[in-house]
Amino acid sequence: QVQLQESGPRLVKPSETLSLTCTVSGGSISSYYWSWIRQPPGKGLEWIGYIFYSGSTNYNPSLKSRVTISVDTSKNQFSLKLSSVTAADTAVYYCARHRGAVLPPGFWGQGTLVTVSS
Amino acid sequence: EIVMTQSPATLSVSPGERATLSCRASQSVSSNLAWYQQKPGQAPRLLISGASTRATGIPATFSGSGSGTEFTLTISSLQSEDFAVYYCQQYNDWPLTFGGGTKVEIK
Repeated sequence: QVQLQESGPRLVKPSETLSLTCTVSGGSISSYYWSWIRQPPGKGLEWIGYIFYSGSTNYNPSLKSRVTISVDTSKNQFSLKLSSVTAADTAVYYCARHRGAVLPPGFWGQGTLVTVSS
Repeated sequence: EIVMTQSPATLSVSPGERATLSCRASQSVSSNLAWYQQKPGQAPRLLISGASTRATGIPATFSGSGSGTEFTLTISSLQSEDFAVYYCQQYNDWPLTFGGGTKVEIK
């Protein structure tokens, strides 16, 4: 059974860059699409973007200028960088796997809360 | 972007009763609609894709219907473990968007 685990700093200062990594275990990162999705505390879900194992990406236009998603197939990991963060970027960040570029993810990580605060 | 609107925001239901949740899209998404269940402190769990196809391991008490702009999730007989927040999500157009959620609570 594939498992996804998010890791990275839980506290980021305003204007700095949020960096998270998702480690995939129990399966290969190849042949799938991998997404980052976030959820501010007590609020709904927002798709940040996705990456194919080959490296092609697609980002939410609302975040595109600040987002970079990358993949490291040798480590079975993919990563998120979100620059110039503000308090509005405080959220639980989930990584997820899906079979097609826009198909719903069937596997999710447990999520990690990242707080933006000085 | 396509705006997804869910109603009601909160649904109070007694165990064993039926729950009907609605989701409306601001433009047609064909049948490219998914439903998720989320419990406190957990990631969303995929229930239904293609508007009506249950994901692996999802019991038949969950059913989805609709196409175009109007969709429904029905839970035929609520069990204690079904009390949660439910989200719809369209995957017809980028960016993929979610509804605001319906909280199903114990009456």
